[in-house]
Amino acid sequence: EAGVVQSPRYKIIEKKQPVAFWCNPISGHNTLYWYRQNLGQGPELLIRYENEEAVDDSQLPKDRFSAERLKGVDSTLKIQPAELGDSAVYLCASSSSLVPTGELFFGEGSRLTVL
Amino acid sequence: SQQGEEDPQALSIQEGENATMNCSYKTSINNLQWYRQNSGRGLVHLILIRSNEREKHSGRLRVTLDTSKKSSSLLITASRAADTASYFCATVPGANSKLTFGKGITLSVRP
Repeated sequence: EAGVVQSPRYKIIEKKQPVAFWCNPISGHNTLYWYRQNLGQGPELLIRYENEEAVDDSQLPKDRFSAERLKGVDSTLKIQPAELGDSAVYLCASSSSLVPTGELFFGEGSRLTVL
Repeated sequence: SQQGEEDPQALSIQEGENATMNCSYKTSINNLQWYRQNSGRGLVHLILIRSNEREKHSGRLRVTLDTSKKSSSLLITASRAADTASYFCATVPGANSKLTFGKGITLSVRP
């Protein structure tokens, strides 16, 4: 069974450019998360979806970040325009809604470098 | 904000030795989880311990939880070079609450 798939793995852009990350969760997982991980830090939640609905986006900087999860499967996280401080690893994770406080399954992450 | 704080921040041991990592948290929890992250990779779930449990084992891993002290420890016995990674504790404050990670511990196991 395939795990959580993310793309691209690496992205280098200049500041003020837009960027988008894509995530395909584990089949059957209704809950999807986007985390941001700065160097030397733990992941911090940006947004959590239950099916198509964003149930927790309190930490998402809405002036430049947007996310969508159409049809409750794949998800896209967009940054526009990117700033130098957005350089980080963006991690997607999924979990089964049958176990709402259970383990998360993470993708390999998308490493963003903003120059 | 990060609820869990791991201690020490970095740990270096010889292969075959045991590694003990600690995590303290601030609010009451539903459960506490430990994850491992190899360099440049995603996080991998290791073990989950619920608030009404005191100890769990999984292979070479042993996790304890002391809710009165709001702390947990992860013990890796007979460490291997392949255990070199960052280890994170993560807490779920309540039912349907988000999983919140600490800053992590960097473990280096010397061959």
